[in-house]
Amino acid sequence: AQSVAQPEDQVNVAEGNPLTVKCTYSVSGNPYLFWYVQYPNRGLQFLLKYITGDNLVKGSYGFEAEFNKSQTSFHLKKPSALVSDSALYFCAVRDMSASKIIFGSGTRLSIQP
Amino acid sequence: DGGITQSPKYLFRKEGQNVTLSCEQNLNHDAMYWYRQDPGQGLRLIYYSQIVNDFQKGDIAEGYSVSREKKESFPLTVTSAQKNPTAFYLCASSQDGLLTFGSGTRLTVV
Repeated sequence: AQSVAQPEDQVNVAEGNPLTVKCTYSVSGNPYLFWYVQYPNRGLQFLLKYITGDNLVKGSYGFEAEFNKSQTSFHLKKPSALVSDSALYFCAVRDMSASKIIFGSGTRLSIQP
Repeated sequence: DGGITQSPKYLFRKEGQNVTLSCEQNLNHDAMYWYRQDPGQGLRLIYYSQIVNDFQKGDIAEGYSVSREKKESFPLTVTSAQKNPTAFYLCASSQDGLLTFGSGTRLTVV
């Protein structure tokens, strides 16, 4: 069965410091992996995806994520955090052979000035 | 502009009533999804549909029903069998796994 885990409910980072938001997954086949961001009372916006190829994926707003097959992880990273990055971040996974897409529980990212 | 429209934005339901949430897309996407969002629990999949006239249960389908009579539309009915329906509901459509979300409907039981 598919599953996604985001072990941290909240991550606090000082502005200008690097940030990491963790995600691990479980699927029966090869995964499609995604990160989305949600601002208050809004739908989710796409940040980046991994389907195949290079393990380091670059996305919107300076974010990147590293796919690690042996650790079944897809951690979201940014070299230098901005206050405007403060939001709720979700990791999602889809099995390549199916259309079912499931999400983790979300991580609230708080960037302090 | 292409996108997904959810309506209404806010919905109030009396206990024992069925209510239907609307979701329309003009992106020509084949797949559509309904998720429920509760504080601290992330997004949980209710139902999804890969093509017209076909849909599958997600992880929390009990107390909900859907239809997919047109490619553009995927309405969700919250029935009286759903014991705790107060939540934020998000509809999405997808092409190649990438989801585009609507702005959501907040349902409150009064």
